Amino acid sequence: GAVVSQHPSWVICKSGTSVKIECRSLDFQATTMFWYRQFPKQSLMLMATSNEGSKATYEQGVEKDKFLINHASLTLSTLTVTSAHPEDSSFYICSARDWASGSIRSNEQFFGPGTRLTVL
Amino acid sequence: GQQLNQSPQSMFIQEGEDVSMNCTSSSIFNTWLWYKQEPGEGPVLLIALYKAGELTSNGRLTAQFGITRKDSFLNISASIPSDVGIYFCAGSTDSWGKLQFGAGTQVVVTP
Repeated sequence: GAVVSQHPSWVICKSGTSVKIECRSLDFQATTMFWYRQFPKQSLMLMATSNEGSKATYEQGVEKDKFLINHASLTLSTLTVTSAHPEDSSFYICSARDWASGSIRSNEQFFGPGTRLTVL
Repeated sequence: GQQLNQSPQSMFIQEGEDVSMNCTSSSIFNTWLWYKQEPGEGPVLLIALYKAGELTSNGRLTAQFGITRKDSFLNISASIPSDVGIYFCAGSTDSWGKLQFGAGTQVVVTP
């Protein structure tokens, strides 16, 4: 149980184009999903909290107009990197919480396999 | 921002040895989580801790939630080559479950 998938697993794009990354909870419902970015040899940096049916909450310093998040259903959240530039190249990882597992265990986040974005 | 101090940064050990790492925080947490990440993959949840003093095992892994709620440790006993990876601690205080991550401990196991 608690499986999270991401698509695509890697993407290479030209500077100025937009890239959409999907995050799906496969065997549970996730009212809240999180998007992280990870640079080489560094820890995970939270970008935003994605709530089903409402606007995402962005962390300080993360441009909401550049990183568009949509959480249209209980099993799908998408991150769109708009007008991507080489400095946006990174490993993007989503996670999801299983609310139905109980009030304590719902703090556990299950991560997707990540998406490697390379902007040329 | 990151408020967790995780140590050591890296460990080079021989197969069969035990490994110990810890995290400390300036804040009180109500949940501590330990994850393992291998290259090019997302973190995998190893152990979750929910209350102060709790000691939990998962196979050769043992983790404890500190009494002060500001620290946690993870032990790996009798390490094997597949234990190689980066281990992250993460804490949560937030009702939305937002996690704060440690910087990670890279474990390298040599035969």
